Amino acid sequence: AQSVTQPDIHITVSEGASLELRCNYSYGATPYLFWYVQSPGQGLQLLLKYFSGDTLVQGIKGFEAEFKRSQSSFNLRKPSVHWSDAAEYFCAVGDYGGATNKLIFGTGTLLAVQP
Amino acid sequence: NAGVMQNPRHLVRRRGQEARLRCSPMKGHSHVYWYRQLPEEGLKFMVYLQKENIIDESGMPKERFSAEFPKEGPSILRIQQVVRGDSAAYFCASSPGEGASNQPQHFGDGTRLSIL
Repeated sequence: AQSVTQPDIHITVSEGASLELRCNYSYGATPYLFWYVQSPGQGLQLLLKYFSGDTLVQGIKGFEAEFKRSQSSFNLRKPSVHWSDAAEYFCAVGDYGGATNKLIFGTGTLLAVQP
Repeated sequence: NAGVMQNPRHLVRRRGQEARLRCSPMKGHSHVYWYRQLPEEGLKFMVYLQKENIIDESGMPKERFSAEFPKEGPSILRIQQVVRGDSAAYFCASSPGEGASNQPQHFGDGTRLSIL
């Protein structure tokens, strides 16, 4: 069955430090992968997506992610974190088998940024 | 900003009442999805609709929950005879009709449902 695992529930980094959020997926075919960010009380905003092609994907707000098929991973990175990046981050895989068209989400990683 | 619009943002109901959550997709989008987020959890898929059709309802509880997306007007998620366990944030997302599987889903700000 398709699934997404985000092993880190909480991460705290200092402002200006680099960031990597881990995501592993289980999917039978070539996956469509997404990272979303959710600020408190808000909906989800798409950071970036991978469908095919270059395995290093650039997104908004200075984020990037790298698809590694051999490791079934799609980790999110940012070279220098800003205080405004504090939020919850969700990795998702698109399940487009048959007639469906749904996203399967991980449980999220809550990012705290220290001054 | 013609994003996905959900209302109400907050809804309080007593046990046994009905809850109706509304979602207007982004302009030009004809596919709607509903997800539920329980406290401390990620989003779980509930149902996928196109205009006047339910395409995939595999994530919907078997009883008390229903969804529709009429030809005119918003999509409605209806929960009858609510119970405490229905307290959650309900998110709607939409995507274009053309090539939907290659299009990301855009989310609304959600409806926070609280059951007293």
